[in-house]
Amino acid sequence: GESVGLHLPTLSVQEGDNSIINCAYSNSASDYFIWYKQESGKGPQFIIDIRSNMDKRQGQRVTVLLNKTVKHLSLQIAATQPGDSAVYFCAENYRLVFGTGTRLLVSP
Amino acid sequence: GAGVSQSPRYKVAKRGQDVALRCDPISGHVSLFWYQQALGQGPEFLTYFQNEAQLDKSGLPSDRFFAERPEGSVSTLKIQRTQQEDSAVYLCASSLGLRATNEKLFFGSGTQLSVL
Repeated sequence: GESVGLHLPTLSVQEGDNSIINCAYSNSASDYFIWYKQESGKGPQFIIDIRSNMDKRQGQRVTVLLNKTVKHLSLQIAATQPGDSAVYFCAENYRLVFGTGTRLLVSP
Repeated sequence: GAGVSQSPRYKVAKRGQDVALRCDPISGHVSLFWYQQALGQGPEFLTYFQNEAQLDKSGLPSDRFFAERPEGSVSTLKIQRTQQEDSAVYLCASSLGLRATNEKLFFGSGTQLSVL
């Protein structure tokens, strides 16, 4: 069963699929956003960032989209691999706030 | 070392004990942050240093929590008279420059504190 406190939204995908993780941020004053990946027992690790003067930024296999009108971020991971399994957090720079997180589970 | 180092990795304390958690940031990083992460939650901001100056301590949950960075490098987070609700992972992060809120953070692996 699920442990108390582990009520993270979970996205389950098959290896090779594309994954989309969404995040609603809270502060209109935020102008810099970061996606972090956190594996079990480790600290968050930087994936990609975006500033508010952009609406899209691409990295290696990852893309971040920013919609300031509705205060929404998304992280797209192409050709998801088992090593991508982790909890993903968005963070905004105003008050240095992290979102709740989404757990990504990738099946071989 | 190349990354942010935190010690101890695990700490078990009896309720009422004082604890001290250490963070060694990446060499040369100006900004240092402490976060608290409860099980299944995102990190919650506690405090922020720029060199030795504590610029923001608005996230510290009570006056039992105290952080310092006296020489602008190593930082210590101290929790006095620990309570069960203090049980969490305490994460330290550093960033290179002065505009810390516009830079990515490099995190350590955290100290897992359990208060019995």
